[in-house]
Amino acid sequence: DAKTTQPNSMESNEEEPVHLPCNHSTISGTDYIHWYRQLPSQGPEYVIHGLTSNVNNRMASLAIAEDRKSSTLILHRATLRDAAVYYCILRDVGDTPLVFGKGTRLSVIA
Amino acid sequence: GAVVSQHPSWVICKSGTSVKIECRSLDFQATTMFWYRQFPKQSLMLMATSNEGSKATYEQGVEKDKFLINHASLTLSTLTVTSAHPEDSSFYICSARGPPKTSHLGYEQYFGPGTRLTVT
Repeated sequence: DAKTTQPNSMESNEEEPVHLPCNHSTISGTDYIHWYRQLPSQGPEYVIHGLTSNVNNRMASLAIAEDRKSSTLILHRATLRDAAVYYCILRDVGDTPLVFGKGTRLSVIA
Repeated sequence: GAVVSQHPSWVICKSGTSVKIECRSLDFQATTMFWYRQFPKQSLMLMATSNEGSKATYEQGVEKDKFLINHASLTLSTLTVTSAHPEDSSFYICSARGPPKTSHLGYEQYFGPGTRLTVT
């Protein structure tokens, strides 16, 4: 799997937007960009994924650079419940399992 | 939809005993299940992949005789930690995926809530 690079940790104030960056300079043409998050003592949960175009869902938005070498997960209004480790993962269209890197630990301050 | 459960949520066992962890897909058929392990402050590490009715494929460094995986039905997979030792204490997380090419269920992985194993 192609590697991703994320900051170890980030901090945000409650009710403010959060931009979580991810670099993936060795991404291949068939790799999808996935974001999962893991709340404390829980299993990971799916957040969003995309290939080339920006994506929006009820949880977040995913902005993908034109050259696809980086992407940004956007939480529009951080809440205390968004405090978690966010993982950016590349995965192709085949049957390969998700391989997790270290992720970014997001702290949200009230 | 796409709910995965694990049982038990936590377990304490004595060194040398075996412990079984169950993973169930509650509302879809999981043709493929994955088992991960997570030590404190670390990321998830893939242990093995199992397809229903087939033997599991273990990642390098994972002892298949110690971590027995059974995936005998489309909704249930079990992980048995045999002769557990304190170093096996960890957070075990299963993940399930539906049949290939069946919308999002055949591509996305859905995770269980995890099982915390403590070996004393």
